[in-house]
Amino acid sequence: SQKIEQNSEALNIQEGKTATLTCNYTNYSPAYLQWYRQDPGRGPVFLLLIRENEKEKRKERLKVTFDTTLKQSLFHITASQPADSATYLCALGEDQFYFGTGTSLTVIP
Amino acid sequence: NAGVTQTPKFQVLKTGQSMTLQCAQDMNHEYMSWYRQDPGMGLRLIHYSVGAGITDQGEVPNGYNVSRSTTEDFPLRLLSAAPSQTSVYFCASSPRFRAETQYFGPGTRLLVL
Repeated sequence: SQKIEQNSEALNIQEGKTATLTCNYTNYSPAYLQWYRQDPGRGPVFLLLIRENEKEKRKERLKVTFDTTLKQSLFHITASQPADSATYLCALGEDQFYFGTGTSLTVIP
Repeated sequence: NAGVTQTPKFQVLKTGQSMTLQCAQDMNHEYMSWYRQDPGMGLRLIHYSVGAGITDQGEVPNGYNVSRSTTEDFPLRLLSAAPSQTSVYFCASSPRFRAETQYFGPGTRLLVL
């Protein structure tokens, strides 16, 4: 069965630094991979999607990479701000989506 | 647009009771789905629908029923609640099957005693 692993530990970084979150997967070859943000008590909010034939995608301060050989996606937030503090989820699939457990990010002022 | 709405926000049930979690969207989306989110497990797909009158099972369908009589509504029914169904439930919608973006509702927190 598919297995998706995200940074198991919470990530704390200083404001202004770049946060890098990892999503690794096994037993699957997804057509694309999504990243979501989830705040406490709220539903996930879509951030970015990257397709299997794309190496990198950017949106404002966000950057996603996708290495289908390593079966890994990296999610970067540059110039991080306290407002970026949240849990970030990766999801992969096409017909059905499989989610990772998420990485909790705290940006310290 | 209200987006995806869910009711109730919070519910306590006793084992064996039944209830329906409501989900509605006003974006004319064809695809709707239900997930449950448990600590350490991530979001898991329960059931989904690719259009009115069409539903299918996801990863963890046991104990849940769904129907889709209109484009807007996709209720999730628990016929006989069990403590293992204690979870946070999220409804999501997409413009179509295999769309690249999902829009999630605010969630329903369910506690089964």
